[in-house]
Amino acid sequence: KQEVTQIPAALSVPEGENLVLNCSFTDSAIYNLQWFRQDPGKGLTSLLLIQSSQREQTSGRLNASLDKSSGRSTLYIAASQPGDSATYLCAVMGHGSSNTGKLIFGQGTTLQVKP
Amino acid sequence: SAVISQKPSRDICQRGTSLTIQCQVDSQVTMMFWYRQQPGQSLTLIATANQGSEATYESGFVIDKFPISRPNLTFSTLTVSNMSPEDSSIYLCSVGRQLNYGYTFGSGTRLTVV
Repeated sequence: KQEVTQIPAALSVPEGENLVLNCSFTDSAIYNLQWFRQDPGKGLTSLLLIQSSQREQTSGRLNASLDKSSGRSTLYIAASQPGDSATYLCAVMGHGSSNTGKLIFGQGTTLQVKP
Repeated sequence: SAVISQKPSRDICQRGTSLTIQCQVDSQVTMMFWYRQQPGQSLTLIATANQGSEATYESGFVIDKFPISRPNLTFSTLTVSNMSPEDSSIYLCSVGRQLNYGYTFGSGTRLTVV
């Protein structure tokens, strides 16, 4: 059974810092991995999607990497801003008869960027 | 990516009643899913909404409690039946066209059962 773990659970940094959020998964048979952002009480906004054959994806100040063989992904946020404060969720899409198409989520990392 | 309209955005309901949540997509999508996010927790998949047939439920979720309809490729509903305070959660609709395009989520329905 696929399990997704995110470390740390919470993070507080001063504005301007570069930071790394970690995601690990137990079953390397994944179709892709997606990073989401969730503001309090709101839905999810997709940030980056990495296919299983890819190593990384970039969007603006965000860079996500994927090492499928070791079951790890990182989300790098450069020059953090107070507007980056949110919960960041990592989700893997299963690959295989009963798992294809299903997203399994980590518990999330709650980020606070202080002005 | 698809644009999702999910309604209602929030509701406060009496225990023992039912609430139906709607998910409307601006274009046809292959896949539609319903998730639950309990307070302070991550997302858990409730079921896959199948067009024109019964939904496929995950372990721990049953049709009598969470009936789902999907009459076409742009619309689905989730009903939370015979509600109890333990059903207080955010319920989210998610859609996808193809597996390698990733998924889009609705803005969620925040349900409080009193």
